[in-house]
Amino acid sequence: ETGVTQSPTHLIKTRGQQVTLRCSSQSGHNTVSWYQQALGQGPQFIFQYYREEENGRGNFPPRFSGLQFPNYSSELNVNALELDDSALYLCASSTVGNTIYFGEGSWLTVV
Amino acid sequence: AQRVTQPEKLLSVFKGAPVELKCNYSYSGSPELFWYVQYSRQRLQLLLRHISRESIKGFTADLNKGETSFHLKKPFAQEEDSAMYYCALSGTSYGKLTFGQGTILTVHP
Repeated sequence: ETGVTQSPTHLIKTRGQQVTLRCSSQSGHNTVSWYQQALGQGPQFIFQYYREEENGRGNFPPRFSGLQFPNYSSELNVNALELDDSALYLCASSTVGNTIYFGEGSWLTVV
Repeated sequence: AQRVTQPEKLLSVFKGAPVELKCNYSYSGSPELFWYVQYSRQRLQLLLRHISRESIKGFTADLNKGETSFHLKKPFAQEEDSAMYYCALSGTSYGKLTFGQGTILTVHP
């Protein structure tokens, strides 16, 4: 059991709305990364947080933002939702240099 | 820029046959390579990473820097190996993985 939990598991939003996805990292893991996985594609790196600071970002616009809390849990926020934001959003946690564990993901549908 | 290419979207073999899932990468430095697997209705999980040089569930993968490849191999496929397999690369920043598009492996009885 990996211990990375994500919520909600599924949600539907309307174009233009905002969404917040949550992730509880595995106990002791201080690094959290978020990925977007569109249908039929591999996961794409959005950004990473290490000890509450953003520690790298992929090719995603600023309307994708995040937070990491003192307990290392994390949020992904997406503003001004677009249809193309429909995807599975994965959270992954680790400590530096060690195995990266993934959550089951949050399915976002934008209509 | 770093890139991972998995040329086969689908791969079908019969039980007991050898299987090889191809992965090629592009990266200017020294990468760390991984294979992740996703079984039906389960989360993405690490199968193996090249630095550990382990054999997991009978799978092995060798990093070939000359050919920039990290192919996954198993000499005798089992039905329970049917899954989606992703090759991934981590560059200088650990944990920021670049994934390939994945290969769906189906092992027929």
